[in-house]
This record gives sequence, C-alpha cells and structure tokens, in this order.
Amino acid sequence: EVQLVESGGGLAQPGRSLRVSCAASGFSFHNYAMHWVRQAPGKGLEWVSGISWNSVGIGYADSVKGRFTISRDNAKNSLSLQMNSLRLEDTALYYCAKGFGLCTAGGCYSDAFDIWGQGTMVTVSS
Amino acid sequence: DIQMTQSPSSLSASVGDRVTITCQASQDIRNYLNWYQQKPGKAPKLLIYDASYLETGVPSRFSGSGSGTDFTFTISSLQPEDIATYYCQQYDDLPTFGQGTRLEIK
Repeated sequence: EVQLVESGGGLAQPGRSLRVSCAASGFSFHNYAMHWVRQAPGKGLEWVSGISWNSVGIGYADSVKGRFTISRDNAKNSLSLQMNSLRLEDTALYYCAKGFGLCTAGGCYSDAFDIWGQGTMVTVSS
Repeated sequence: DIQMTQSPSSLSASVGDRVTITCQASQDIRNYLNWYQQKPGKAPKLLIYDASYLETGVPSRFSGSGSGTDFTFTISSLQPEDIATYYCQQYDDLPTFGQGTRLEIK
C-alpha cells in the first residue's frame, strides 16, 4: 500500500524551531520529487517546499524562504522539514505529498501531488 | 509568483446538475494546471492533471479543459459524494494553489 505518514508536529513558541518528518512506503521513493503543503485552520492549501528526487532541485515559498529547510534520505525513504524562527502564521496542518512524476528533468520538483499523508499539526503560540 | 484566481468561491447545486469552476492564472502557464478535491477532514485528492487528463480511478463525470491563462473544471452530473472543496494548482513555476471553491448541495 502506498503510504505517507507524517510525524513531529506539536506546539512551539514564536521564534523557536520544530522538525517534521514523513515516512514513505509502497513506492520507489528515490524516483520522485517530494513536497510539503500546509493548510492553516479553515483556510486553503499553500505549497511550502519541494525537493527533486536527487536533492539537486529545491524550492521554497517566499513565506518560508530562509527559515525552513527541506531534506530527504532516499536510503531511509524519509522526508523532513526543519522549521526555524517560527511565526504565528506558520500554524497549520502540514502535509507530506508525493510528486506525480510530470517533472522529469534531474533537478526539477515542480509537479502535481498524487499521494498525500494525513498531515501533522504545527501550532505556534506563546 | 503566479497567482491563481478561482471562481466562484462557493457554489450550491442540485444532484444531477452540471457544475463548472473556473481558474485564471496571472500569466501563461501552458497546460501546467491540476485540480484537486478535498473533503472535510481529509487530505486533498488529485483529480485532473495537465489541465485535462483524468487521474486513474477518478470518475468520468469529472473533466478539465483550458490552456494559457484560463481553465475550466466540470462535473457533468453532480453526485452527493462530490460535496467538497476544489482547488486548482499551477506548476509552471513554483507551485501555487487557487483559493478554493466550496461546493454544496442545494
């Protein structure tokens, strides 16, 4: 069964750090770009960051650039998002999502998202 | 960043109705446009990719069209299980989503 399971969410104070992770199974993780997409309570979807299959291509939304770092470990089928200097507006459900495979160039990560995890909630509050 | 403008933001329709949602990009995105369905409390689900291609397993009453800056998503005959919020998403540049269209049963 193709599955993505996020972990590591929780409560953090503004300015502090948190790391969320995603464990992948049921597909060839090393072949696909991976992404983080978030959804603030009652709001729409916001793409946060993406990473190509070989980690050569990495992108961030302007809202998190310089504060968040995406990484992956193909040997462990895992994806991570290190979130530093957290702000109140980072409060959201963070989804891990698999790239569909429309993006075929080596460092490319811009794609559709065909498999999603259940999400992990990150709350930033003092 | 490429801005995606969806309309309407909410929609009420009857079972069996034809439903149409539009998505406009702030610049030419060719056909790099996807559509998702999100039911309450659930993760989004990919329905349409590359503007008009139906994802495997998605019912044929869903369809998409368009290219350039103007795109359309259609449900040919609304079913009760289609109640959800629908999002468009472009990937010509860094991915961005439309603001969503909440679909309700009349």
